[in-house]
Formats: sequence, C-alpha cells, structure tokens
Amino acid sequence: NAGVMQNPRHLVRRRGQEARLRCSPMKGHSHVYWYRQLPEEGLKFMVYLQKENIIDESGMPKERFSAEFPKEGPSILRIQQVVRGDSAAYFCASSREPGLYSNYGYTFGSGTRLTVV
Amino acid sequence: SQQGEEDPQALSIQEGENATMNCSYKTSINNLQWYRQNSGRGLVHLILIRSNEREKHSGRLRVTLDTSKKSSSLLITASRAADTASYFCAVGSGNTGKLIFGQGTTLQVKP
Repeated sequence: NAGVMQNPRHLVRRRGQEARLRCSPMKGHSHVYWYRQLPEEGLKFMVYLQKENIIDESGMPKERFSAEFPKEGPSILRIQQVVRGDSAAYFCASSREPGLYSNYGYTFGSGTRLTVV
Repeated sequence: SQQGEEDPQALSIQEGENATMNCSYKTSINNLQWYRQNSGRGLVHLILIRSNEREKHSGRLRVTLDTSKKSSSLLITASRAADTASYFCAVGSGNTGKLIFGQGTTLQVKP
C-alpha cells in the first residue's frame, strides 16, 4: 500500500499560469481533504471531497480555485491564474470514514510545494 | 471557530526530559487527534482520543482530554532527538467530518 500519493512534489509556475495538483488516496479511502500550509504556520482547511462529490468547500477561495475527485483517477486541486500569494505547501489527506468519525485519523501525502515566480 | 490552539508555540528540552504540549478548542467534539510533522514533510497521525475518554497511551505518548475545560495535552516521555518536529492537534468541525488543525507546537529535543 503506497499511502497517499501527491504529485508533483515541487511545482514552479509563473504568475498567471495554471497549477494542477494531484492526489491519489490510499486504497480503500473514499474521503479526500486538501489543506494549505504557509511557512511556519498550521494547516488551513480548503476542501473535503468524496468520490464525485464536494462535501465541504468552505475553505476554498471564491475565485481561481477548484477541486474535483472523479469516479476514476486522482483528486485534482486546480489553481487558475496563480499569484505570488498562492505559494505554499498543499497537502492532501485521505480517510476511510469522515475525519470526525474516523478511528484512525487521516493519512497525509508528502505535499506539493508550489512556488509562483 | 473550532480550531485547536496549541501552547506553547515552541518548546526546547534536553534528551531524556518529558515534553508536554497543550491544546484548547471551542466547541463540542467527537474526537481529538494529534499529529506530528517533520520539517517539510506531511503530517503523521499519532493518536486519537474520543470525547468519552479521559486518557490514552501509545508507547511514549500519553494524551489526556478534559471536555469540561475543552482542552487536551500530549505528553512525550523520555524524549529523543528524533522527536524533534512540530506537533498539531486537530478537532472535528461541523457536520461534514473535516478536521481543523491548530497552529502547532515546535518541539526541539537537544541531544
């Protein structure tokens, strides 16, 4: 079991470009969460998805950010027209049950470090 | 918000000493979880304590939960240099099951 796989590990984009971050959850996990972490800070919740459904997107900026978790394939976090303030580490986590009720917590990926130049 | 808030923000101890980190939250919870993050890496789940539990142990880790005070503590006994990391508490928020993480405590264990 390879755990939660995120790619790429590092991504450099110029201002105005699009960034696509991928996350493959652990086998058997149908709940996916995206978090953003700025240097020296905690994780900020962005979005919670279950297969083909967005359960909670209360942490997503209203513009430029979108997420999906299709029936087949990885979850994608998409940032359009990136700006310097989007530079951060983006972490994906998965769980078998909703985090609130999980007996085992989340399994995190190693993150994607996005740098906007 | 229901965000967990840890204190202290930073803690520096000698190898062999115990380290205690505290977490406070604001609303009712189903469970509270502690995670560890090594620099530049993803978070690793350490331990989960349910709202009807008061104390839980896992190896050198001991977690307590006081729901009346809405607080939890993580104790690492006989610390090692390899315990150097950031530690985060996380609580469930709302009805959707997502976890909200605190700002974390940075622990440095000096050899």
